[in-house]
Amino acid sequence: AQSVTQLDSQVPVFEEAPVELRCNYSSSVSVYLFWYVQYPNQGLQLLLKYLSGSTLVKGINGFEAEFNKSQTSFHLRKPSVHISDTAEYFCAVKPFGNEKLTFGTGTRLTIIP
Amino acid sequence: GAGVSQSPSNKVTEKGKDVELRCDPISGHTALYWYRQSLGQGLEFLIYFQGNSAPDKSGLPSDRFSAERTGGSVSTLTIQRTQQEDSAVYLCASSHPPSGINNEQFFGPGTRLTVL
Repeated sequence: AQSVTQLDSQVPVFEEAPVELRCNYSSSVSVYLFWYVQYPNQGLQLLLKYLSGSTLVKGINGFEAEFNKSQTSFHLRKPSVHISDTAEYFCAVKPFGNEKLTFGTGTRLTIIP
Repeated sequence: GAGVSQSPSNKVTEKGKDVELRCDPISGHTALYWYRQSLGQGLEFLIYFQGNSAPDKSGLPSDRFSAERTGGSVSTLTIQRTQQEDSAVYLCASSHPPSGINNEQFFGPGTRLTVL
């Protein structure tokens, strides 16, 4: 079985400041890793994914994440946030050969002008 | 092109009534998924359809929940004898075949179900 932990349920950040949203996972098998974003009153949208290769993954809207296998982490970062980044962010994993996504409980990012 | 669509966007029902939620996947996507997003619970997997294979129902919380996918396209999630704890946003997603390199699930906007 898999589990995903997003320790921070809410993260307030000043506009143009950097942000890191933490994600740790647990799995007995190899997994693919994803970050999804949910803007207010909208569905989930894929930000980025790690399938294989370079552990630093770049996504849309200036976000990036780094896969750290030894620490079983996949933290999301952005060097300078904008008001438009206000949303809920979900980390998810999917085992190789299995189609079920397991999500964390989400982190609500609030940008302070 | 058109994304995943879901209807209705909002549904309010009385405890004990049955409800049907509909999902139209992206054209050509053979895999379809249902998830539930409850307050404070995050998103949980409910059921997965892939082509003509038997669906993976391992996430359905009780036998009051069922889903079908007709003609390999539209899917309906049915909740019988609704309870207040069924109140949540029900999300549908679809994807290219699982073996595809994209490996991405595309989500619809969800149906917000409120059971009074």
